[in-house]
Amino acid sequence: DTGVSQDPRHKITKRGQNVTFRCDPISEHNRLYWYRQTLGQGPEFLTYFQNEAQLEKSRLLSDRFSAERPKGSFSTLEIQRTEQGDSAMYLCASSLPAGKGETQYFGPGTRLLVL
Amino acid sequence: AQTVTQSQPEMSVQEAETVTLSCTYDTSESNYYLFWYKQPPSRQMILVIRQEAYKQQNATENRFSVNFQKAAKSFSLKISDSQLGDTAMYFCAFSNRDDKIIFGKGTRLHILP
Repeated sequence: DTGVSQDPRHKITKRGQNVTFRCDPISEHNRLYWYRQTLGQGPEFLTYFQNEAQLEKSRLLSDRFSAERPKGSFSTLEIQRTEQGDSAMYLCASSLPAGKGETQYFGPGTRLLVL
Repeated sequence: AQTVTQSQPEMSVQEAETVTLSCTYDTSESNYYLFWYKQPPSRQMILVIRQEAYKQQNATENRFSVNFQKAAKSFSLKISDSQLGDTAMYFCAFSNRDDKIIFGKGTRLHILP
């Protein structure tokens, strides 16, 4: 069990560029979550998947954001036309089938800086 | 909407002392789950302890224990015999049956040698 991995760990981009982040969950976990954490704050829920189905999206997830989990394994989070306000840590977590407060295991995050 | 409030932005204690971190939450649901997560500096978030709301017994994990007061919607974390490695940001968190987690703003805990 290698844990949840995220790539890249750091990304610096210029305003207006598109960026894509990848998350690889723990292999037997069919739930995958994305959170965003700004400096000095707790993580905020963005979206989650059960297998390949995206079950919920937060209103924080504007139409510039899109997430996919095409084969129910890894997931990608894309931000189009980045803005300075998108600068944050993007966290991915995975868990076993849910509904019972299953423990979510977090990855190390991708820190995005938009210049 | 559910909310989680941590009223202590920052705390410092001497090594080996006991420290209690406070958390209150608001929900209209009867079945839910509460968590304390730890985020060490530049390291990833890990679960410290988990409590199921329908269980009256307070959860414990080695030096970590909670005081769960359901009626008061209070969920504090006690760390006994604190160690330097306990230095971290601690987040109180809530989830219901859909399992998305709502986090508080965190308490930054410093363990002093």
